[in-house]
Amino acid sequence: AQSVTQLDSQVPVFEEAPVELRCNYSSSVSVYLFWYVQYPNQGLQLLLKYLSGSTLVKGINGFEAEFNKSQTSFHLRKPSVHISDTAEYFCAVSDQGAQKLVFGQGTRLTINP
Amino acid sequence: DAGVIQSPRHEVTEMGQEVTLRCKPISGHNSLFWYRQTMMRGLELLIYFNNNVPIDDSGMPEDRFSAKMPNASFSTLKIQPSEPRDSAVYFCASTSGLSEAFFGQGTRLTVV
Repeated sequence: AQSVTQLDSQVPVFEEAPVELRCNYSSSVSVYLFWYVQYPNQGLQLLLKYLSGSTLVKGINGFEAEFNKSQTSFHLRKPSVHISDTAEYFCAVSDQGAQKLVFGQGTRLTINP
Repeated sequence: DAGVIQSPRHEVTEMGQEVTLRCKPISGHNSLFWYRQTMMRGLELLIYFNNNVPIDDSGMPEDRFSAKMPNASFSTLKIQPSEPRDSAVYFCASTSGLSEAFFGQGTRLTVV
């Protein structure tokens, strides 16, 4: 079975500063990896995904993530954040065969002016 | 496509009543998921279907919860009888299995 650990429940940063949201997963099989964002009172929308190929994945709103198989990590980064990035961010993993999608606990990103 | 459609968006009910949440997945998607989101427990997978068949319902909290998918374009999650601790936002998501899952806007359930 897969599992996901998001190491930080809350991350406060100043506007225009860089940010990294950490995600580690465990699985005995090959996986797909995802980052989703949830704005207040809304559903989840996809930021980026790793299915195969290049380990550096670029997503929407200037975010990127790097898949590191040896460290079983998929950390999310942005070089310069904006107030509008304030949201909750979820890392997720799915078994390539079974399609079961499992989420981490989420990281609340707060941007201070 | 209009995306994953959930109804109702908000539901307030009294303890003991039956509650039915509805989901219409994206056309052509063959997997459907029901999640529950609370402050305490985060986003929990309750059950998922593949080709209308329940594959894993290990996340369903207890017998008061049941889910059905009678055809490829419709699913329900039923709680009977409802309890205050069932108050949460319930999300439905669908995927073709080749890429990401798409989420509905959720149903905010309040049981008083």
